[in-house]
Amino acid sequence: GEDVEQSLFLSVREGDSSVINCTYTDSSSTYLYWYKQEPGAGLQLLTYIFSNMDMKQDQRLTVLLNKKDKHLSLRIADTQTGDSAIYFCAEKEDYSNTGKLIFGQGTTLQVKP
Amino acid sequence: KAGVTQTPRYLIKTRGQQVTLSCSPISGHRSVSWYQQTPGQGLQFLFEYFSETQRNKGNFPGRFSGRQFSNSRSEMNVSTLELGDSALYLCASSRDQTYEQYFGPGTRLTVT
Repeated sequence: GEDVEQSLFLSVREGDSSVINCTYTDSSSTYLYWYKQEPGAGLQLLTYIFSNMDMKQDQRLTVLLNKKDKHLSLRIADTQTGDSAIYFCAEKEDYSNTGKLIFGQGTTLQVKP
Repeated sequence: KAGVTQTPRYLIKTRGQQVTLSCSPISGHRSVSWYQQTPGQGLQFLFEYFSETQRNKGNFPGRFSGRQFSNSRSEMNVSTLELGDSALYLCASSRDQTYEQYFGPGTRLTVT
């Protein structure tokens, strides 16, 4: 079945770059997503990438996709304390006409001043 | 443009009771999905509705049900509540089968 794996914790210094990694198993995934969750809040869609792309950049965020290795990463440049949150990687099923997302367990990003 | 809204935001119920949660999608969005988030199991898909029809269902017992109305608003119901149903219930909406899904703030359900 589908599975999405992430490391659980990452700690960086303010101003450094953060790289959050994710691996997935479903080779038929069409879209891969990054969501951010702050304490007590819902999920905020940060960015997504279509499976036929290698890279997508959006301001401080860069998404890299290695489809051969089924590896997705999110790079946050110039990380700020406001970036402290849980980051979820998710994949969208492709083989059915559905918007169902499969989520990883989330990576807690701690940004130290 | 208003985001996804969920009501109520917090709820405390007793084991054995039932509960109904509501979700209003972004205007123009016709697809609504529900997820359960717990510390142990993470984010798990409950079901998805599109144009009042259930399009997909996750691996949850029949105590969990949902529906969607003609204005795309959705409700989910949990009957005979168990302690393990305590969770954050998140609703997401999208235009149709597009790739952008937007989440609401969630309803925090506590079962005592």
